[in-house]
Amino acid sequence: GAGVSQSPRYKVTKRGQDVALRCDPISGHVSLYWYRQALGQGPEFLTYFNYEAQQDKSGLPNDRFSAERPEGSISTLTIQRTEQRDSAMYRCASSLALGSGRTYNEQFFGPGTRLTVL
Amino acid sequence: AQSVTQLDSHVSVSEGTPVLLRCNYSSSYSPSLFWYVQHPNKGLQLLLKYTSAATLVKGINGFEAEFKKSETSFHLTKPSAHMSDAAEYFCVVSPFGNEKLTFGTGTRLTIIP
Repeated sequence: GAGVSQSPRYKVTKRGQDVALRCDPISGHVSLYWYRQALGQGPEFLTYFNYEAQQDKSGLPNDRFSAERPEGSISTLTIQRTEQRDSAMYRCASSLALGSGRTYNEQFFGPGTRLTVL
Repeated sequence: AQSVTQLDSHVSVSEGTPVLLRCNYSSSYSPSLFWYVQHPNKGLQLLLKYTSAATLVKGINGFEAEFKKSETSFHLTKPSAHMSDAAEYFCVVSPFGNEKLTFGTGTRLTIIP
């Protein structure tokens, strides 16, 4: 079956431009997560949603970063006024059940969007 | 607070020999621990998970890991390496097994023919 998809796979932009990164989770998955992975590092949590509700955005680095999931399915991560330090791989993951509590629900990751800010 | 430390950034082994990737964790809670693998140009894939059941956990592709609370370790092992095991491996901790995962910096595994 179809996994998590992300688009675009590669994005090159100039400093100061806005970018929008899209994540399409596995059908029926209610929780969706965004991570950022710098070169040579592990992914770092940015934010997550249960359905359309943003549950935790503590990992967003500053107010230039925002995310939405208006209909509880596809999500968009938007970076305004991009800076060179925003260059990274942005990964999305989804899980079948709610992201809270003591029940483990595997997060399935997409292939990522490689963002390069010139 | 929680964190994981992967003790080796690169590991090289010959095909057919054992693999050992080391991970130590720090957690205020009784943690859930995972190993994820990342092949080039692919998404992260879950290898195995520990969620307070059996301390020896078996995963896919012949990998296993042992949770040792006294040593705060969760090392990944495989008896015999295969060329297809070449990838980057991440040790991951989570307080409850979901929500935000905290990743280590990764270990790149190279298999020598």
